[in-house]
Amino acid sequence: AQSVTQLDSHVSVSEGTPVLLRCNYSSSYSPSLFWYVQHPNKGLQLLLKYTSAATLVKGINGFEAEFKKSETSFHLTKPSAHMSDAAEYFCVVIKRGDYKLSFGAGTTVTVRA
Amino acid sequence: DTEVTQTPKHLVMGMTNKKSLKCEQHMGHRAMYWYKQKAKKPPELMFVYSYEKLSINESVPSRFSPECPNSSLLNLHLHALQPEDSALYLCASSQAPGQFSYEQYFGPGTRLTVT
Repeated sequence: AQSVTQLDSHVSVSEGTPVLLRCNYSSSYSPSLFWYVQHPNKGLQLLLKYTSAATLVKGINGFEAEFKKSETSFHLTKPSAHMSDAAEYFCVVIKRGDYKLSFGAGTTVTVRA
Repeated sequence: DTEVTQTPKHLVMGMTNKKSLKCEQHMGHRAMYWYKQKAKKPPELMFVYSYEKLSINESVPSRFSPECPNSSLLNLHLHALQPEDSALYLCASSQAPGQFSYEQYFGPGTRLTVT
């Protein structure tokens, strides 16, 4: 079985400062991992994915994440936050060959001007 | 094009009404999904269609009835809903899993209010 823990329910940063969103996972098998973002009253947008190639994954809008198998972590970072980054972020894991995504509880990001 | 479209954007219905939600994708994906999302929560899987056949039903009440008329379209028929069914309903699609699993692409959702 897969599970995901997002270690922060809410993160507040100032515009122009780094953002770190923490995610730990557990999986019986080598998983695929994703980060999605959801702006208010919108659908989910894929930020980036890890599928067993490079452990440092670059995504859209300047986000990147590093897969660390020894720490079972997949933390999301961005060097400089923008006001448009204010949203809900979900860390997601899926077992290879499966249909069902396992979502973390989500992290709400607010960006202060 | 990685777009999944959903109609309508908003829907208000009474508990005795019958309505349908529609979802469309043109990415050639053979897996399509319905999710329900309550405020401040992650999406919950309801149904999965793979190659136009119902593959997973997550014990969803029968007042929700999915339909996949072809490989690009997915419907969710609603009947005799309860106020607690009010939520954002999201459609998603992906390549059908095989040796690997693939990212799912989500539509913008239908905001449903049951009165």
